[in-house]
Amino acid sequence: DTGVSQNPRHKITKRGQNVTFRCDPISEHNRLYWYRQTLGQGPEFLTYFQNEAQLEKSRLLSDRFSAERPKGSFSTLEIQRTEQGDSAMYLCASSLGAGAVGEQYFGPGTRLTVT
Amino acid sequence: KQEVTQIPAALSVPEGENLVLNCSFTDSAIYNLQWFRQDPGKGLTSLLLIQSSQREQTSGRLNASLDKSSGRSTLYIAASQPGDSATYLCAASPGSRLTFGEGTQLTVNP
Repeated sequence: DTGVSQNPRHKITKRGQNVTFRCDPISEHNRLYWYRQTLGQGPEFLTYFQNEAQLEKSRLLSDRFSAERPKGSFSTLEIQRTEQGDSAMYLCASSLGAGAVGEQYFGPGTRLTVT
Repeated sequence: KQEVTQIPAALSVPEGENLVLNCSFTDSAIYNLQWFRQDPGKGLTSLLLIQSSQREQTSGRLNASLDKSSGRSTLYIAASQPGDSATYLCAASPGSRLTFGEGTQLTVNP
């Protein structure tokens, strides 16, 4: 399978715990994006990387959130001190491009439930 | 700030019907517009990408059009099938990020 993969697919955690999600993009894609989707809503942009550089962060990405893409390949999204409001589907996407945005391909998502 | 609206929020049609899903966006300065399909509890599947210089794109029974001047895009589905039942999302790209609408939940009844 050469698509975008995400792990874990589901995560249940208690409020106050830290969680980390992983995204593996399509191998030749240099851009990687994170989005968050709550029930009944469209995805909302969180952040994106071009290679290993984090070029844009949304105001939604509070201080408790951090994302990395250390070698320009896979990426991790960490949430510290989780809150019930963090419960959502976290989606990763990748694309190939240097200038204008190319077609984004999404992974299956990680569903986070904070109890 | 780009805002994307999709109408209707939900649509139920009998099998075989042709249908149109609507998407409007507030800022016409976009690079492209992308349509996605999402099945319950799943990720997004890209259906069509329309570059800002294009007017439409076609893939099988799907046709998407783009009118930047009016801030509108439509997704036309011909001869709908029960397997087309899903939520359809449009997303406008003014730069790096995609701004999504809330989606249209489509049900095609056998």
